Amino acid sequence: LAKTTQPISMDSYEGQEVNITCSHNNIATNDYITWYQQFPSQGPRFIIQGYKTKVTNEVASLFIPADRKSSTLSLPRVSLSDTAVYYCLAPRNQGGKLIFGQGTELSVKP
Amino acid sequence: DAGVTQSPTHLIKTRGQQVTLRCSPKSGHDTVSWYQQALGQGPQFIFQYYEEEERQRGNFPDRFSGHQFPNYSSELNVNALLLGDSALYLCASSEPGTASSYEQYFGPGTRLTVT
Repeated sequence: LAKTTQPISMDSYEGQEVNITCSHNNIATNDYITWYQQFPSQGPRFIIQGYKTKVTNEVASLFIPADRKSSTLSLPRVSLSDTAVYYCLAPRNQGGKLIFGQGTELSVKP
Repeated sequence: DAGVTQSPTHLIKTRGQQVTLRCSPKSGHDTVSWYQQALGQGPQFIFQYYEEEERQRGNFPDRFSGHQFPNYSSELNVNALLLGDSALYLCASSEPGTASSYEQYFGPGTRLTVT
């Protein structure tokens, strides 16, 4: 099971781009990298998932280098409502068993 | 289209008691997973139900049990409650044929406090 490492916390200001990097050195060939977002008192919400290179959706972009040992979640022009905990998961396919770490607590200030 | 719903929202129990938490998956979803989230920690996988059977189980004692009904809704039961069982209990569902998918839809959770 790929262990992930990400910063415990990050601070940003409204309108800035935020990049959260996750390390997953022992990721397996068939592992996907998945990111979830969790607001206080709510369940996690799937943001984005990728295997290699770059994936973009309406919420974020995910950059994965060729060696796949790390990935970067990019949030463009954050607002106060992006204050949340962001989890990086690189689960070996275990039939839908999601393994969460401690996540990165992002605080966006005005 | 209702998302994942859970009941009750909050619950206070005493050590040694038993509790049942309920979950209705998102419409069209057939797989339900349960997670426990202690304060300041990420969610921890308890078990997953598919076709009314437990498919996978995390590292939780037998005091934690579950059930899935024909309409895909699910219950989580915890017996002989301990103070350490105080946590947010999350239910997540996924689409048919994607039981191994990483994209799961989570409910708002049930906050259980054991005193």
